Amino acid sequence: SQTIHQWPATLVQPVGSPLSLECTVEGTSNPNLYWYRQAAGRGLQLLFYSVGIGQISSEVPQNLSASRPQDRQFILSSKKLLLSDSGFYLCAWSLETDPQETQYFGPGTRLLVL
Amino acid sequence: AQKITQTQPGMFVQEKEAVTLDCTYDTSDPSYGLFWYKQPSSGEMIFLIYQGSYDQQNATEGRYSLNFQKARKSANLVISASQLGDSAMYFCAMSAGAGNMLTFGGGTRLMVKP
Repeated sequence: SQTIHQWPATLVQPVGSPLSLECTVEGTSNPNLYWYRQAAGRGLQLLFYSVGIGQISSEVPQNLSASRPQDRQFILSSKKLLLSDSGFYLCAWSLETDPQETQYFGPGTRLLVL
Repeated sequence: AQKITQTQPGMFVQEKEAVTLDCTYDTSDPSYGLFWYKQPSSGEMIFLIYQGSYDQQNATEGRYSLNFQKARKSANLVISASQLGDSAMYFCAMSAGAGNMLTFGGGTRLMVKP
């Protein structure tokens, strides 16, 4: 069966510091991968998605970037964090072969920028 | 552009009773999918149920059913026989157009009373 991992689970970082969040999927090949951000008490906002290695699409312009160095690895990065980057970051995967293309989410990373 | 509206920020239900969580959507795409996710306090987004725009029958998954009224553009979630473990945030989401992007509503917090 497929599983999705995210780490770290929680992170406290100072303003201006770099960021690297990692997401990996097991048990499937060539998944579509997604990064979402959820502000406290709000819905999810799509940040990036990827349909293959090295293919990244950005939905919201900001100081974050994403990379997909391997088929089942998706990384969210920043060179300099802002206070507004605080939130709950969720990674998700789906398969094009699934007619519903349901997205399945990882456990998330809670980021607090101070 | 797609839009999802959840008008109930919070709801209470008595244990063992049924509850309906409202969701309305807006899209110009003739083909779309509607999803409901549950988010407990741990933060993980758990997929509950899916309804395709061309599905003739309402989707059901155990105690969850989706009341799909296409003409009214509504996709309400019905939870039968509520349990204490159903207390969580519930999000309605829609995928439409190229790329399987999910648009989320603002969520409804459900609290089940013993």
